[in-house]
Amino acid sequence: DTGVSQDPRHKITKRGQNVTFRCDPISEHNRLYWYRQTLGQGPEFLTYFQNEAQLEKSRLLSDRFSAERPKGSFSTLEIQRTEQGDSAMYLCASSPLGDTRLYEQYFGPGTRLTVT
Amino acid sequence: AQKVTQAQTEISVVEKEDVTLDCVYETRDTTYYLFWYKQPPSGELVFLIRRNSFDEQNEISGRYSWNFQKSTSSFNFTITASQVVDSAVYFCALSEDPNFGNEKLTFGTGTRLTIIP
Repeated sequence: DTGVSQDPRHKITKRGQNVTFRCDPISEHNRLYWYRQTLGQGPEFLTYFQNEAQLEKSRLLSDRFSAERPKGSFSTLEIQRTEQGDSAMYLCASSPLGDTRLYEQYFGPGTRLTVT
Repeated sequence: AQKVTQAQTEISVVEKEDVTLDCVYETRDTTYYLFWYKQPPSGELVFLIRRNSFDEQNEISGRYSWNFQKSTSSFNFTITASQVVDSAVYFCALSEDPNFGNEKLTFGTGTRLTIIP
């Protein structure tokens, strides 16, 4: 049983550089979410896809952030001109369409970003 | 707007003691879902339970039990006979009805639980 995978697991970058993270959801899961978790806090919602359509973006997602999910499979999250405040764990989750009484979000292991 | 409050930042108990983690939520929705997740040191969020707003029955799963009280907007989590492996950060979360919107989770700030051997 393959769960949600994320790549890379860790990324260290210098301020001003661009970074891209990848998320592979559980096969056939139509819904995909990105969250950000800073130290000592709970995850915060960033954006949501249903298949390839990006249906909602949080106000936390500044213009430097962009997410895509081509063909409704894997998703990428890009951060341009990184700032130290972008240092966080970026979590991806997926869930299936279907019986909403049974749904849950399955989380990946996260990508820890450190901006120096 | 939805909000989840976990007032206990850190809790330490001696192994085999019982411990209750508190969760209070705010929402204007009549249909919503409540969750508990565990985040061990490895970092991956592990799903523990989901409860919808129409089901106020308490639930027990092994050493874990959950008390949902709509009247006080609380969804508390109790671990009985705690074990060292229970040491983790525990998050309570809330989502709106997925039939009317996306299922984005609103998390509390978490409670760090340490079980002392």
